Amino acid sequence: LAKTTQPISMDSYEGQEVNITCSHNNIATNDYITWYQQFPSQGPRFIIQGYKTKVTNEVASLFIPADRKSSTLSLPRVSLSDTAVYYCLVGGTDKLIFGTGTRLQVFP
Amino acid sequence: GAVVSQHPSWVICKSGTSVKIECRSLDFQATTMFWYRQFPKQSLMLMATSNEGSKATYEQGVEKDKFLINHASLTLSTLTVTSAHPEDSSFYICSARGRLAGQNEQFFGPGTRLTVL
Repeated sequence: LAKTTQPISMDSYEGQEVNITCSHNNIATNDYITWYQQFPSQGPRFIIQGYKTKVTNEVASLFIPADRKSSTLSLPRVSLSDTAVYYCLVGGTDKLIFGTGTRLQVFP
Repeated sequence: GAVVSQHPSWVICKSGTSVKIECRSLDFQATTMFWYRQFPKQSLMLMATSNEGSKATYEQGVEKDKFLINHASLTLSTLTVTSAHPEDSSFYICSARGRLAGQNEQFFGPGTRLTVL
């Protein structure tokens, strides 16, 4: 299972774009990259998933370089409600192992 | 998106009793369900993987006789914490993967807060 490395914490201000990068040097050919958001005392919530290049949905974008050894979650114009822990996971159809996650704090 | 529910959302019990937590996939058939445990300020720790109709596969260090997992149907998995003790107090989260177009995606339940007195 690929191990992921993320910054432990990040700070931002409302309205700014936040980019969280995740390293996964041992990603396998069949692995997808998935990002989850978790608020205190809640289950993780799916944000976005990708395999290569760029994926965009209504809440975020995911950038994956050609070698797929890293990925960047981009949150446009964050608000206070985006304060949460963000997890990057890699895997195929098998189990997902959570890393430490990135604790994002958004200030007014 | 697909919805996973857990019941109860919180439970308080006395030391030595057993507690059962249910995990249901509400609008899809979950071929695989996962159980996680999360302590305060820590990440989720995978406890076990269960496939419908077969025995669960436990992660290293997780006692299978203490954490009984049953996945009797494609929409229900249960975790029973037997003879619970205060150190078992934690946030238990299940997730499910099913026969959907986005089969690489896991859907998580809201979690169950267990407090053992």
